[in-house]
Amino acid sequence: KQEVTQIPAALSVPEGENLVLNCSFTDSAIYNLQWFRQDPGKGLTSLLLIQSSQREQTSGRLNASLDKSSGRSTLYIAASQPGDSATYLCAVSRGYSTLTFGKGTMLLVSP
Amino acid sequence: DTEVTQTPKHLVMGMTNKKSLKCEQHMGHRAMYWYKQKAKKPPELMFVYSYEKLSINESVPSRFSPECPNSSLLNLHLHALQPEDSALYLCASRGGNRTNYGYTFGSGTRLTVV
Repeated sequence: KQEVTQIPAALSVPEGENLVLNCSFTDSAIYNLQWFRQDPGKGLTSLLLIQSSQREQTSGRLNASLDKSSGRSTLYIAASQPGDSATYLCAVSRGYSTLTFGKGTMLLVSP
Repeated sequence: DTEVTQTPKHLVMGMTNKKSLKCEQHMGHRAMYWYKQKAKKPPELMFVYSYEKLSINESVPSRFSPECPNSSLLNLHLHALQPEDSALYLCASRGGNRTNYGYTFGSGTRLTVV
């Protein structure tokens, strides 16, 4: 059974810092990995989708990497802002019906 | 249109009530999902519809009844719920069986059962 672990569970940083969120998964036979952002009480917003054949994806200040063989992904956030405060969820997909989530990293960026 | 729209955003219902949650997407996605999320937990899969047919029911109690009237619409009918069913209900869609599609989630319905 696929298990996804996110470290750290919570992170508090001052504005302007660069930071890294970590995600690991136990079964490397994935089709893709997706990073989501969730604000309190809200839905999930997709940030980046990395296919199993890709090594990284970038969107603005966000960069996600994937090392499928070692079962790891990182989400790098450059020059963090208070508006980045949210919970970040990593999810791996195998097939159209199977999306396994980590428990998330709760990020707080203080002004 | 690249969104999944869920209505209502908030719902309070009594344990004897019948209500429905609605989810709509116009991206031509043929796979649609219902997830349940409790506070500080990741989403848990409830149902999967593929090409308007129920393909997965994750042993969800019968007081939750899904329906997919057409390829753009997904409903979740609620009846005789319990207070522990209070949660954020999320709808998602995906482009189909191709492995390179990601998931698109709606903003959710916050359900409170009293």
